[in-house]
This record gives sequence, C-alpha cells and structure tokens, in this order.
Amino acid sequence: DAKTTQPPSMDCAEGRAANLPCNHSTISGNEYVYWYRQIHSQGPQYIIHGLKNNETNEMASLIITEDRKSSTLILPHATLRDTAVYYCIVRVDNQGGKLIFGQGTELSVKP
Amino acid sequence: DAGVIQSPRHEVTEMGQEVTLRCKPISGHDYLFWYRQTMMRGLELLIYFNNNVPIDDSGMPEDRFSAKMPNASFSTLKIQPSEPRDSAVYFCASRGAGGAEAFFGQGTRLTVV
Repeated sequence: DAKTTQPPSMDCAEGRAANLPCNHSTISGNEYVYWYRQIHSQGPQYIIHGLKNNETNEMASLIITEDRKSSTLILPHATLRDTAVYYCIVRVDNQGGKLIFGQGTELSVKP
Repeated sequence: DAGVIQSPRHEVTEMGQEVTLRCKPISGHDYLFWYRQTMMRGLELLIYFNNNVPIDDSGMPEDRFSAKMPNASFSTLKIQPSEPRDSAVYFCASRGAGGAEAFFGQGTRLTVV
C-alpha cells in the first residue's frame, strides 16, 4: 500500500471549515483513499473514501487531485466534537481490507 | 446491531500472567482485525481473519501472542506470558465482504505491571 504524509497537527476555529491535507504521491491506479478519525479514547471511525472523483457524505467532503497524488478532507463547519486524530490511508480494495494507519493529523477545534 | 463488542474494557495484570482479550464482531461481517495502539508506535495491525481463517499475522510481535477465531461471532487475542511492554490499547474491528467501512470496538486497555 502507498505511503501517506500528513501534517502532525492543525487548529481550526469552531464553525469554520477544516481542511486536512494528505500527500500520497506513490498511489497506484487501483488504490482508494480512505479517511478515518479517532476521538480520544475511542476506536477509529470511518469518515469517507474515494478513488478518483470527489466525494461527499453527511460527515465530510473528499477532494482528490486530478493526478491523485494528494487529497483534502473537508469538514465544512467544524465543531468542538470534531477534535480528533484524522488518518489518511490508501489501499487496494481487493487486498482483504487491510488498513495500515500512519501517524495522522491531530485536529484541534477551538471555540 | 450493537457494534463490535470487546471485553474486558480494562485489564490490569502482573507480568508473567496469561491475558485473553475477547471480541465479538458485527453479525455477518467476514473480516476481523486486531490492532494495538501505543503512544510510541501508533495503531499497528497485528492480525486479520477472513471467514474465520487467519490471513496475515505478520504484525504479531512474537510467539507470546496468539489469536484465534473459532467461529464467525467470536475471536480471542492471547498473550502468554505478558510483559510490561505489552501495555497498550487493543482494538478489534470487523468489516463486511463488500463493505468499505471497518467498524472498531471500544478497545481493551491492558496494563501489565
């Protein structure tokens, strides 16, 4: 699976959009980009995933660049409850579902 | 469904003792994963099963660790003998065959003194 690079930490004001970047320059054509988050003391939680096209669900939007070498997770209106570690993961869907977590980005949403 | 259920939530044991962590995956899920999380090493995949068969155990740190999945609704992770460096939070997760999302349990916080 391709390696990902994320900033170790970010701050965001409550109510503003949080934009979390992820670099995956070695991504292969059949690898998906997944985002999970982990709120303190809880298990990781799935947010969203995509292959090429931008994706949106009730939690977030995922923007993948045309060359697929980077992506951005957008939380449109961050709340204090969005404070968590966010993990960007790339993997091939047919490889048994193995998820390899990196260090992630610690997002702090401040009032 | 109640989600992935792990037990116990907390375990404190003495070095050298056997420790057994338990996991009940979501009904109908074909994949089960065991992870370990520490401050130093982050989230590490230890082993995962597909249809109760271990597929990849390359993350199991050493022979003191073993995992079983005797049926589709139950898995155990055993450490024998336990050591202080095994202290961590252990997570179990499950995923359906056609699903993209893995669901994690609340974890078991293990402290070996």
